[in-house]
Amino acid sequence: NAGVTQTPKFRILKIGQSMTLQCTQDMNHNYMYWYRQDPGMGLKLIYYSVGAGITDKGEVPNGYNVSRSTTEDFPLRLELAAPSQTSVYFCASTLDGEQGGYTFGSGTRLTVV
Amino acid sequence: AQSVTQLGSHVSVSEGALVLLRCNYSSSVPPYLFWYVQYPNQGLQLLLKYTSAATLVKGINGFEAEFKKSETSFHLTKPSAHMSDAAEYFCAVSGGIQGAQKLVFGQGTRLTINP
Repeated sequence: NAGVTQTPKFRILKIGQSMTLQCTQDMNHNYMYWYRQDPGMGLKLIYYSVGAGITDKGEVPNGYNVSRSTTEDFPLRLELAAPSQTSVYFCASTLDGEQGGYTFGSGTRLTVV
Repeated sequence: AQSVTQLGSHVSVSEGALVLLRCNYSSSVPPYLFWYVQYPNQGLQLLLKYTSAATLVKGINGFEAEFKKSETSFHLTKPSAHMSDAAEYFCAVSGGIQGAQKLVFGQGTRLTINP
């Protein structure tokens, strides 16, 4: 099993550019999440999904969009990139949303210049 | 709203010494609690979880944590530190109406092991 796969691993964007961070899982998990990690701040939830076709905002959704057309894929879209979006982004999934531990991807390190 | 506070952003111990990483939570409903470990340039890996069964939870790599409702704490311990334990550790909470299906993470504690 590949688990949770994130691409790309690294990316540099210019201010105002857009990009999509890809996340796919092969464990047939219903629940998927996007977090951003900033030094000393822990992880903050951006968006999450409880199943295909269902998404909801987390704590820090501004500047991002998501879609969930299949169980496997949960891409994160950045529109009009800003320096404040420089961060490490993690995708995670779980079968049992509340009791289960998450499986994390290896992250995407994004720098906006 | 649920929240997690990890006491100490950096903890340093000698190899072979006791590891104690502190976590306090706030929740208006019985919580589910988790500890995750993150090695450099990697994603987070689940160490252990508490889901209202035994209050003393054993995890991987010799770590354990005890849920203390009266103290709203879920501290992580390991009797004897190993060099390979050097990493960042995150406590997280979920549960209840507001927290359903979502983990709220603490700010993390970086553990350094001195030879």
